[in-house]
Amino acid sequence: ETGVTQTPRHLVMGMTNKKSLKCEQHLGHNAMYWYKQSAKKPLELMFVYNFKEQTENNSVPSRFSPECPNSSHLFLHLHTLQPEDSALYLCASSQAQDSYGYTFGSGTRLTVV
Amino acid sequence: AQSVTQLDSQVPVFEEAPVELRCNYSSSVSVYLFWYVQYPNQGLQLLLKYLSGSTLVKGINGFEAEFNKSQTSFHLRKPSVHISDTAEYFCAVSNFGNEKLTFGTGTRLTIIP
Repeated sequence: ETGVTQTPRHLVMGMTNKKSLKCEQHLGHNAMYWYKQSAKKPLELMFVYNFKEQTENNSVPSRFSPECPNSSHLFLHLHTLQPEDSALYLCASSQAQDSYGYTFGSGTRLTVV
Repeated sequence: AQSVTQLDSQVPVFEEAPVELRCNYSSSVSVYLFWYVQYPNQGLQLLLKYLSGSTLVKGINGFEAEFNKSQTSFHLRKPSVHISDTAEYFCAVSNFGNEKLTFGTGTRLTIIP
């Protein structure tokens, strides 16, 4: 158990479906992140939240919609995805303004069919 | 801006042989350096980190890394690898007072029995 829990671990969805990924941490961290990891591509930072406020959006398509209701929870709402969105989605947390590194969850393996 | 270069995308090594995974970084300010490991279908796990002090840092699973400021490097080493070390390894850098990590593209370590 890494301290950051992601659910579900695996998700298969059609292009017209709406689904959500959930991330939860109980480490007392106040910064949370979504990363996308595709085969043979570098880790892509998608969104950053500090103290529940979105501080970074790296030109992510609007079919991905993040939500951070509190410092312990982060969601990624998905709708009308494309097959190229199939990837491992990783959540991480850290202390804001702290350089001591991230704690990652185990990821959600998403397949869009 | 900071950046990380992992020159080797794949490194095959015989079991019980030593290994070195290379990481070079660039930054205009003082840095913190990290190595993460990712086992198949898992999230990233922190192996070790350099924050300050001794330039030789020891981590989990028998890995160590040496910070070399003059060569802007933070190479990861292990004197004798095991089959269970098969994974992808990521080097990352952050600046003092800034939680944002910049990751390298990863090195896939394959252990040959």
